[in-house]
Amino acid sequence: DSGVTQTPKHLITATGQRVTLRCSPRSGDLSVYWYQQSLDQGLQFLIQYYNGEERAKGNILERFSAQQFPDLHSELNLSSLELGDSALYFCASSVDNRPNNNEQFFGPGTRLTVL
Amino acid sequence: GNSVTQMEGPVTLSEEAFLTINCTYTATGYPSLFWYVQYPGEGLQLLLKATKADDKGSNKGFEATYRKETTSFHLEKGSVQVSDSAVYFCALSGAGTSYDKVIFGPGTSLSVIP
Repeated sequence: DSGVTQTPKHLITATGQRVTLRCSPRSGDLSVYWYQQSLDQGLQFLIQYYNGEERAKGNILERFSAQQFPDLHSELNLSSLELGDSALYFCASSVDNRPNNNEQFFGPGTRLTVL
Repeated sequence: GNSVTQMEGPVTLSEEAFLTINCTYTATGYPSLFWYVQYPGEGLQLLLKATKADDKGSNKGFEATYRKETTSFHLEKGSVQVSDSAVYFCALSGAGTSYDKVIFGPGTSLSVIP
């Protein structure tokens, strides 16, 4: 158990809909990262938050947004869903943003299926 | 830009065989290097890391040495087990302007057969 929790575990929805994925980092971790993992694209970095502020952006679509709240949990919002958004979405956390300490602890993932 | 390249899989080995998964990187500065492992149905977990040149990371019989001269961080294990079947990701962080972003390679799938 990494200490990172993600809800829900599975999500099935229809095209055009909007969903929210939730992540609680390990106790004491300030950085939260979101990744998308699909068979054809591999593991894609989406976005990082550090202590409530956006820190780095990766291949995140404009239809997707995220935020980190004062209690450090994070939410990833996916809107106008398309079939191609079906994937595993992972959240990870780390203590801070120093590279030597940047071991990331991954949650179990949310499997999103868009029908 | 910064990137990580891994050998393409899938790799299939017999139990007790020697494993090497090649990883090379492109980065500015002096990044930290990591190997993560993803077992079926689970999230990634850190396997080992090295933070400076010539450092050797090791864990659970796996080893990797940070080679700055060849920009490589190859993963090795002397005798693999069926339980080592997983996807292995090489990664780096602390490179250039993407100081705290972790960049993952595409992953290498390993299957170990009895």
